[in-house]
Amino acid sequence: NAGVTQTPKFQVLKTGQSMTLQCAQDMNHEYMSWYRQDPGMGLRLIHYSVGAGITDQGEVPNGYNVSRSTTEDFPLRLLSAAPSQTSVYFCASSYGGSQNTEAFFGQGTRLTVV
Amino acid sequence: EDKVVQSPLSLVVHEGDTVTLNCSYEVTNFRSLLWYKQEKKAPTFLFMLTSSGIEKKSGRLSSILDKKELFSILNITATQTGDSAIYLCAVRRAAGNKLTFGGGTRVLVKP
Repeated sequence: NAGVTQTPKFQVLKTGQSMTLQCAQDMNHEYMSWYRQDPGMGLRLIHYSVGAGITDQGEVPNGYNVSRSTTEDFPLRLLSAAPSQTSVYFCASSYGGSQNTEAFFGQGTRLTVV
Repeated sequence: EDKVVQSPLSLVVHEGDTVTLNCSYEVTNFRSLLWYKQEKKAPTFLFMLTSSGIEKKSGRLSSILDKKELFSILNITATQTGDSAIYLCAVRRAAGNKLTFGGGTRVLVKP
């Protein structure tokens, strides 16, 4: 059972480039989310999805887009990378609705924008 | 806006010491509080607390929630170097499944 899989693990971008961070889960979880982690700031929510076709903004959505065409996949797109987006990105998934369970995290993507 | 504050920011202890980590929160319609341990990569789940005064325990780790005073503590007894990590606290409100995280406490256990 793979759990939550993120790719790539590391990425260096030049300012202005775009890219997509991939996230896939095989636990049939309805709820998926993207966080970024900066030093001393814990995890901040970027975007989340409560099911296929439904997405919403989190705390820090600017500069990022998401879509959820299937239950399994939740890609995060950086439209025009900026140095302020240098961070570690985590994807997470959990059961949704009335089920109050823990979230499972991917191994993270370390992104550097130069 | 939901808010989670963890203290201390960091601490250094020696093997065998006991550590107490604090998490205070403000959330509309509280549903649950979760603790995670983060070593090098992904946060891993420790506990989920929903009721006041009921201690959750796993080996040398334990946690308790006070819904009246809006805080939780995570205790680690007889610390080992493998306990060195960032400990994250998060809250979930009744509507939806969003988790709001605190800034974390970095624990370093020296031999």
